[in-house]
Amino acid sequence: ETGVTQSPTHLIKTRGQQVTLRCSSQSGHNTVSWYQQALGQGPQFIFQYYREEENGRGNFPPRFSGLQFPNYSSELNVNALELDDSALYLCASSHGDSSYEQYFGPGTRLTVT
Amino acid sequence: GIQVEQSPPDLILQEGANSTLRCNFSDSVNNLQWFHQNPWGQLINLFYIPSGTKQNGRLSATTVATERYSLLYISSSQTTDSGVYFCAVPNSGGSNYKLTFGKGTLLTVNP
Repeated sequence: ETGVTQSPTHLIKTRGQQVTLRCSSQSGHNTVSWYQQALGQGPQFIFQYYREEENGRGNFPPRFSGLQFPNYSSELNVNALELDDSALYLCASSHGDSSYEQYFGPGTRLTVT
Repeated sequence: GIQVEQSPPDLILQEGANSTLRCNFSDSVNNLQWFHQNPWGQLINLFYIPSGTKQNGRLSATTVATERYSLLYISSSQTTDSGVYFCAVPNSGGSNYKLTFGKGTLLTVNP
């Protein structure tokens, strides 16, 4: 069974640029959630996708957008990057129909300069 | 939304010592997870424990949902136990749950 994977591992972008982060869910999981973790803080919920539809959103501006594909993998897109977007971005998958337990990928560390 | 408080914020132990980490939450929940975040940032699932007690090797967890708290016990700690421990609870109902995390407990185990 393959766990949750994320790419890239690290990324450096300039303020104002756009970035796309990718996540492959664990085998058999149909729900993907994205979280942002700033240094020294707990992860903060960005949004969740269930069977390709957005299933809830946290307190993040519209320039944070996402997508889930038919194979349940997912993308997180951030436009007009700001310095405060520098963080660890974590993706979690779960089987939305049978279990609420979420499993996390290794994360993508984004640095905005 | 739901509030999650973890204590203590920092804990330093000698190898072999035991410890108890606490997680308080402000509303009733039917889902709670404990994670260990390693130095590379990966969140490792420790327990999914909406209520009751579970054990996995040197680690055990107890959730008392009616009193809105959960405890994580680490016995005979090892240096590899070092890292940040988070508890997380759902912030809403529905068909799936979006997790709200505490600020974590930073555990340092010295040899």
